[in-house]
Amino acid sequence: EPEVTQTPSHQVTQMGQEVILRCVPISNHLYFYWYRQILGQKVEFLVSFYNNEISEKSEIFDDQFSVERPDGSNFTLKIRSTKLEDSAMYFCASSAGGQETQYFGPGTRLLVL
Amino acid sequence: GQQLNQSPQSMFIQEGEDVSMNCTSSSIFNTWLWYKQEPGEGPVLLIALYKAGELTSNGRLTAQFGITRKDSFLNISASIPSDVGIYFCARLNRGSTLGRLYFGRGTQLTVWP
Repeated sequence: EPEVTQTPSHQVTQMGQEVILRCVPISNHLYFYWYRQILGQKVEFLVSFYNNEISEKSEIFDDQFSVERPDGSNFTLKIRSTKLEDSAMYFCASSAGGQETQYFGPGTRLLVL
Repeated sequence: GQQLNQSPQSMFIQEGEDVSMNCTSSSIFNTWLWYKQEPGEGPVLLIALYKAGELTSNGRLTAQFGITRKDSFLNISASIPSDVGIYFCARLNRGSTLGRLYFGRGTQLTVWP
């Protein structure tokens, strides 16, 4: 069964460093998303992406964040200058249609020291 | 209006018992979703509900879309140890054609053998 994959599974970085989280969505999906989950809290929407541009972003997704689809298979989330409060699980998701089921990847656990 | 109130926050039950959890909101929605998250994994869709009053089953799981369109419940019958995890309700943003999901805070389920 097709699935969303994410790399790395864990990332530890120093405050102020740039990180890039990578996702490979399900191959025939057209809509892509990033969510994050701070430890012990609910899953929060960051951004949605369709047709090579951001469709919607939340208040969390400030200028330090960016997304890109550099080729036909990868979808990346970049945090330009990480802060301690960026420590969280970051989930990528994809769906075939905008209102269709979103399939989540296993997540990248980011720890900012 | 986008907040989902999910209860209970946690449940500790004996194997074989039935479980019930619910989600409410002050706004009406078109779609209710129930996800399960196991440790170290991303959320996995269990059941999707699209119509008020809809009752849908997936094995031992049953979920209903409340007729007021402001609530939903999830029941698990005859629980087993592998039911352990966090169960999230979620809804799609009605104001967007793209699937921004809003999640509840989750119900942590523990099943004792």
